[in-house]
Amino acid sequence: SQTIHQWPATLVQPVGSPLSLECTVEGTSNPNLYWYRQAAGRGLQLLFYSVGIGQISSEVPQNLSASRPQDRQFILSSKKLLLSDSGFYLCAWSAGHGIGGEKLFFGSGTQLSVL
Amino acid sequence: SQQGEEDPQALSIQEGENATMNCSYKTSINNLQWYRQNSGRGLVHLILIRSNEREKHSGRLRVTLDTSKKSSSLLITASRAADTASYFCATYSGNTPLVFGKGTRLSVIA
Repeated sequence: SQTIHQWPATLVQPVGSPLSLECTVEGTSNPNLYWYRQAAGRGLQLLFYSVGIGQISSEVPQNLSASRPQDRQFILSSKKLLLSDSGFYLCAWSAGHGIGGEKLFFGSGTQLSVL
Repeated sequence: SQQGEEDPQALSIQEGENATMNCSYKTSINNLQWYRQNSGRGLVHLILIRSNEREKHSGRLRVTLDTSKKSSSLLITASRAADTASYFCATYSGNTPLVFGKGTRLSVIA
């Protein structure tokens, strides 16, 4: 069966520090991968998605970046965190070749607090 | 950008009652999905309804879709305390990933 791992669960970082959040999927090949952010009490904002290794689409211009070095690995990074980067970060995957409206499977999330 | 808008933002009911949440969207869709999120956790997919479908059932869940009104509803029958969570609708319009609404917070009081 397929599983998705996301870590760390919580993270407290000072403003200006770097960030690296990692997400891996097991039990499937060629997944579509996604990073969403959820502000407190708000909906989900799509940050990045990827349909294949090295293919990254950015939805929101900001100081975050994403990379997909391996088929089932998706990394969210920042060189210098801002206060506004605080939030709940969720990684997700879906099956299929390209974006086709399939259901998403989410990781357990990372609560990031930038102080 | 957010496509779906859930209504109400928050809902509090007694155990055993039915809970109805609504979702309105702006552009034509290929499918609409409902997800559930327990506090501090990831989202879990509940049900997907395609644009050519009008109603789907899954256990105690019933979803309807009215494409002429660009709206959907999620009904949870005989609610339980364990149904307490936030519920999100998400729309797929073709070629771009799912767009989520802001969610409805459901509290079921035992």
